[in-house]
Amino acid sequence: ILNVEQSPQSLHVQEGDSTNFTCSFPSSNFYALHWYRWETAKSPEALFVMTLNGDEKKKGRISATLNTKEGYSYLYIKGSQPEDSATYLCAFIGTGNQFYFGTGTSLTVIP
Amino acid sequence: DVKVTQSSRYLVKRTGEKVFLECVQDMDHENMFWYRQDPGLGLRLIYFSYDVKMKEKGDIPEGYSVSREKKERFSLILESASTNQTSMYLCASSLYASRGTEAFFGQGTRLTVV
Repeated sequence: ILNVEQSPQSLHVQEGDSTNFTCSFPSSNFYALHWYRWETAKSPEALFVMTLNGDEKKKGRISATLNTKEGYSYLYIKGSQPEDSATYLCAFIGTGNQFYFGTGTSLTVIP
Repeated sequence: DVKVTQSSRYLVKRTGEKVFLECVQDMDHENMFWYRQDPGLGLRLIYFSYDVKMKEKGDIPEGYSVSREKKERFSLILESASTNQTSMYLCASSLYASRGTEAFFGQGTRLTVV
């Protein structure tokens, strides 16, 4: 079983706070790393697809970085808003084309 | 608008029943996946298919089988449902061997086995 770990498991922040989560994955057989947002009663949706060491992606107030040599990725949210409340999943894609998901970080933004 | 559709949103079945969960995608994707999601355990891969009639076991295949007779359809079969298979089941699809692609998910099927 391939191990993809996310931390913290859950997080409560005040509106306006900035926050970040970590995804750890194997540094061998790397193909891609994805971040997904999963809101309650909806399907997970992709935030970022990252493939190269040193990649940095940004979408509005959310950004992500990737270090494939040491096997980690960070997701940052600047100025959290209540609508950012969701579970954030990372997925490691190895050369076998399978998607291995972490257990997720549950974010609650308190107004 | 891309779409992955699961046949049922909610399902209640009895122990020992044979259960079929259907998933259809309209994006001509080669890869299709079945996951189950349980509290604290995240998404765990049950089975994966990268082509018609091709399948590979994921991390937790025991008690499940799959069928992919057509490219757009991937079925998950619980041969004899048990209470420990009560869970949320998610189907997903993606393009094959394409680095820039993402997975697209269905709406999920919440299965309760009584």
